[in-house]
Amino acid sequence: GAGVSQSPRYKVAKRGQDVALRCDPISGHVSLFWYQQALGQGPEFLTYFQNEAQLDKSGLPSDRFFAERPEGSVSTLKIQRTQQEDSAVYLCASSPGARDTGELFFGEGSRLTVL
Amino acid sequence: AQKITQTQPGMFVQEKEAVTLDCTYDTSDPSYGLFWYKQPSSGEMIFLIYQGSYDQQNATEGRYSLNFQKARKSANLVISASQLGDSAMYFCAMREDPYSGGSNYKLTFGKGTLLTVNP
Repeated sequence: GAGVSQSPRYKVAKRGQDVALRCDPISGHVSLFWYQQALGQGPEFLTYFQNEAQLDKSGLPSDRFFAERPEGSVSTLKIQRTQQEDSAVYLCASSPGARDTGELFFGEGSRLTVL
Repeated sequence: AQKITQTQPGMFVQEKEAVTLDCTYDTSDPSYGLFWYKQPSSGEMIFLIYQGSYDQQNATEGRYSLNFQKARKSANLVISASQLGDSAMYFCAMREDPYSGGSNYKLTFGKGTLLTVNP
C-alpha cells in the first residue's frame, strides 16, 4: 500500500502481558515516529528514528516501553508487563526527510486496551 | 508547560458555512512551524496546512486557510464552505527550532477540537 500501515489495529491485553505493535512506513521514508494518544487527548511523542538509529526516546513513559527499527524500515513498539494506564492508541508516522522532517504521514493507529 | 492550547472542545457548523477553529501557542523561539491535522473516526491523522513563523503570507490550501497572528501567538484554522465530510477532530501542532533547545522533528499537539457539520 501507499500509506503507513500499522498492525494490529486493535489489541486487548491482560494486565502484565507483553504486546508488540508493528509499523510499516512509506517506502523510502527516512524518519519514523511513534506517538501515544490517550482518549480525548492529542498525540504525545514517544520516540523518533532516523533510518535504523533511534535518535530520541525521551517520550517513552517507562523502561517497559521499547522500540526498534533494525533495518531502517519496519518498526516495532514493544510494551512489557502492560498496565491499565498503557491503554491508548499508538500512532506511527513517517516522513521522507531527516532531521527537518516536514509533513508527517500517519497510520491509522493501534488501539491497545489493557484489562 | 502546555505549548498548544485549543480552547474549543467542540464546534458545530452548518453545511456550506465557514468555521474558525482556535489555536494559541507558547514559545520563545523565533523560528517554529505550525501545523493543522484532521483526525476522522478512522483514526488516521491527515495533514491539512503548514505555516512557518517567518512566512509573510498566511497559508492557504484549498478550503483551508491559516489565520496567523504572530504577535498574539495564534494560528487559527478557517474552513470555508463546510462539508459533511469535514466532521472530525482537528489538532493544532507546533514544531520548534533546534537551535533554541527545541527539536525540528518533534511535533507538540493540542488537545483538539471536535467539529460537527450539520446538514
